[in-house]
Amino acid sequence: GAGVSQSPRYKVAKRGQDVALRCDPISGHVSLFWYQQALGQGPEFLTYFQNEAQLDKSGLPSDRFFAERPEGSVSTLKIQRTQQEDSAVYLCASSPGDSSYEQYFGPGTRLTVT
Amino acid sequence: GENVEQHPSTLSVQEGDSAVIKCTYSDSASNYFPWYKQELGKRPQLIIDIRSNVGEKKDQRIAVTLNKTAKHFSLHITETQPEDSAVYFCAAGSFGGFKTIFGAGTRLFVKA
Repeated sequence: GAGVSQSPRYKVAKRGQDVALRCDPISGHVSLFWYQQALGQGPEFLTYFQNEAQLDKSGLPSDRFFAERPEGSVSTLKIQRTQQEDSAVYLCASSPGDSSYEQYFGPGTRLTVT
Repeated sequence: GENVEQHPSTLSVQEGDSAVIKCTYSDSASNYFPWYKQELGKRPQLIIDIRSNVGEKKDQRIAVTLNKTAKHFSLHITETQPEDSAVYFCAAGSFGGFKTIFGAGTRLFVKA
């Protein structure tokens, strides 16, 4: 079946621009996660959704970062007034949300802020 | 805050040798410990995981061990092959919290 997809795959933004990154999880998956992965580093947790409820947003680095999942499926990560330090790969992952803890990752969106 | 430390950062082995990667975690509430393999430019993929009620788990050439008392867990790859070359990440999470903390990664090179 289809895996997790993300769009766009690559995004170049000028400093100060707003960007929106989309994640399509595996159909039926209850849990959805966003991570930020800097070059040469491990994924860093940003936020977690269970259906449409955002249960943990402790990893969002500033109030410029906002995530939503209004209907409990597709999710959007929005970054306002992008800064150079926002340059990274943004990974989305989904999980069935039952006793299976496994997270299935999307291919990521590589954001470059110039 | 929660932290996962992983070492070594780089590991080079000869084909056929074993590779061991070690991680320690700080959050006592962690009860789920996955390992992911990430090839260059690709997404992380789960290769094996272990839960806190188990001390060891094996899947063909890959095994993980967990010591909850010491808060450390390890990945063992035996009979390494060139296609095992990748970056490996350990992680720690807990059901109910769902927040998963990743280590910084180990770049494994398997020389033919």
